[in-house]
Amino acid sequence: QKEVEQNSGPLSVPEGAIASLNCTYSDRGSQSFFWYRQYSGKSPELIMFIYSNGDKEDGRFTAQLNKASQYVSLLIRDSQPSDSATYLCAVTPPGNNDMRFGAGTRLTVKP
Amino acid sequence: NAGVTQTPKFRILKIGQSMTLQCTQDMNHNYMYWYRQDPGMGLKLIYYSVGAGITDKGEVPNGYNVSRSTTEDFPLRLELAAPSQTSVYFCASVGLGTDTQYFGPGTRLTVL
Repeated sequence: QKEVEQNSGPLSVPEGAIASLNCTYSDRGSQSFFWYRQYSGKSPELIMFIYSNGDKEDGRFTAQLNKASQYVSLLIRDSQPSDSATYLCAVTPPGNNDMRFGAGTRLTVKP
Repeated sequence: NAGVTQTPKFRILKIGQSMTLQCTQDMNHNYMYWYRQDPGMGLKLIYYSVGAGITDKGEVPNGYNVSRSTTEDFPLRLELAAPSQTSVYFCASVGLGTDTQYFGPGTRLTVL
């Protein structure tokens, strides 16, 4: 089992819709969870981080964490074509100073 | 404040050649990381450092070496380039008391 798993996509949504991106992780003791956006040919950029169970909202983005189910998700409301990118889920394992990344989900928002 | 800078942006190597990928950060961050990203894949950790003089292996360290003589610089060395090392290499840094990684723009390396 991979440490961090994501559906590779592509996920296609129409402009204005809600895009839902999902991620599961294997290490139950993981404490920090991140969503990065990566445009083609560019470096990852941080969108959201979440540490506690529940929802965290920042503008059009909402991160949801369920530690019991080892599941973290990212919702993008009112999706825009500029949101088209690959979204990487990352997790900090317990007792580690590094970060484990999923393979990413490619999102396409169609005008 | 330039953040994390990487040089070169692109490089083509022949099998068996060596090179050093440079990474510098001006945020006084203690933690620095080297990742590689193969097409359509996530990032794999090669090496990381928690401070000057301290380095440790990540998931895929074979074929690479690092050093950390200063807080600012974290160079990655490829001694005998192989086609399997064709990838995009990202350097990242994190400050104390935070988990947020700041990434450099990446180096695209091709080994032929």
